[in-house]
Amino acid sequence: GQSLEQPSEVTAVEGAIVQINCTYQTSGFYGLSWYQQHDGGAPTFLSYNALDGLEETGRFSSFLSRSDSYGYLLLQELQMKDSASYFCAGSSGGSYIPTFGRGTSLIVHP
Amino acid sequence: NAGVMQNPRHLVRRRGQEARLRCSPMKGHSHVYWYRQLPEEGLKFMVYLQKENIIDESGMPKERFSAEFPKEGPSILRIQQVVRGDSAAYFCASSPGQGASTEAFFGQGTRLTVV
Repeated sequence: GQSLEQPSEVTAVEGAIVQINCTYQTSGFYGLSWYQQHDGGAPTFLSYNALDGLEETGRFSSFLSRSDSYGYLLLQELQMKDSASYFCAGSSGGSYIPTFGRGTSLIVHP
Repeated sequence: NAGVMQNPRHLVRRRGQEARLRCSPMKGHSHVYWYRQLPEEGLKFMVYLQKENIIDESGMPKERFSAEFPKEGPSILRIQQVVRGDSAAYFCASSPGQGASTEAFFGQGTRLTVV
């Protein structure tokens, strides 16, 4: 089975940089994904890391360290619209079914 | 290309009734996943289907819950004899194939309320 842990809430101010951590315990781990969800709406895919290192996509970057079973999502130049829940998701085993963490609620203040 | 379509968006059922939740995957997608979400919680995997086949239903309760993805038409999640504890948001996701890096596209969800 899989278990992914992430903080329940993070707060930051507009323009700042915030890091959302995710640790996982899983066997046969393939990679780590990140999803964003606004107010219970449809989760949307942000990034995927299969290899160790940093993946950058605009203001968002995602990092993975397989040896530490750890990853993070880095959000730069925070905007009010970034206030949302962020989920890390891992897949393992033969069926690649994404398993989600409980989510981190990011609150961006003016 | 329309996204993943779920209907209804909101569903109210009395205890003991049946709830049918529909999911039309994105065009060209043959893999469908159903998830359940309670307030302030993550997405809990329920079932994974491909056309006409249930691949993994390890997250779905053995009783009262069933799912199908027929050759033609949407995927259906059926909950029989609903109880108050079934109240939740149910999300469907689809992907074009199987693979760890394959992005899953989610629908807007169905909010089920059991009264």
